[in-house]
Amino acid sequence: KQEVTQIPAALSVPEGENLVLNCSFTDSAIYNLQWFRQDPGKGLTSLLLIQSSQREQTSGRLNASLDKSSGRSTLYIAASQPGDSATYLCAVSPGDYKLSFGAGTTVTVRA
Amino acid sequence: NAGVMQNPRHLVRRRGQEARLRCSPMKGHSHVYWYRQLPEEGLKFMVYLQKENIIDESGMPKERFSAEFPKEGPSILRIQQVVRGDSAAYFCASSPAGSGNTIYFGEGSWLTVV
Repeated sequence: KQEVTQIPAALSVPEGENLVLNCSFTDSAIYNLQWFRQDPGKGLTSLLLIQSSQREQTSGRLNASLDKSSGRSTLYIAASQPGDSATYLCAVSPGDYKLSFGAGTTVTVRA
Repeated sequence: NAGVMQNPRHLVRRRGQEARLRCSPMKGHSHVYWYRQLPEEGLKFMVYLQKENIIDESGMPKERFSAEFPKEGPSILRIQQVVRGDSAAYFCASSPAGSGNTIYFGEGSWLTVV
């Protein structure tokens, strides 16, 4: 059974600092991995999707890496802004619709 | 192009009542998924439906929960005789196919059982 762990559970940084969010998973037989953003009382916004054959994906200030063999992914957010405050969720897919989610890292960026 | 639409966004029910949550997938999507997010936990898969068919309900509790996706109209997640432990956020997602595609999530329906 796939287990997804996100560390830390919460993170508070001053504006401008780079953010590093970690995700680990127990079963390396994944099809892809996604990072989502969730604002309070809101749904999920997909940030980055990394296929199992890829090592990283980038979008603007966001960069996600994937090391499938070690079961790890890292989301980097450069030059954080108060608007980046949210909960970030990592989810892995075995190739179908059953995403396995971590419990998330709640980020607060202080102005 | 509207996203995945869920309603109601917030629902309060007394113990023993029924809760009905509705989901309209994105235009052109025929695959619908329901996930549940319990407090302090990650989202957990509940059920996968296509029009008029339940494809996989392995994540659904055995009793009181049911889901449908009729030929016309939204998908419905129905919880009968709700208990306090059913209080959670219920997310619907849709995709144009069952695998290998990005799944798009709705904004969720927050159920509170009092």
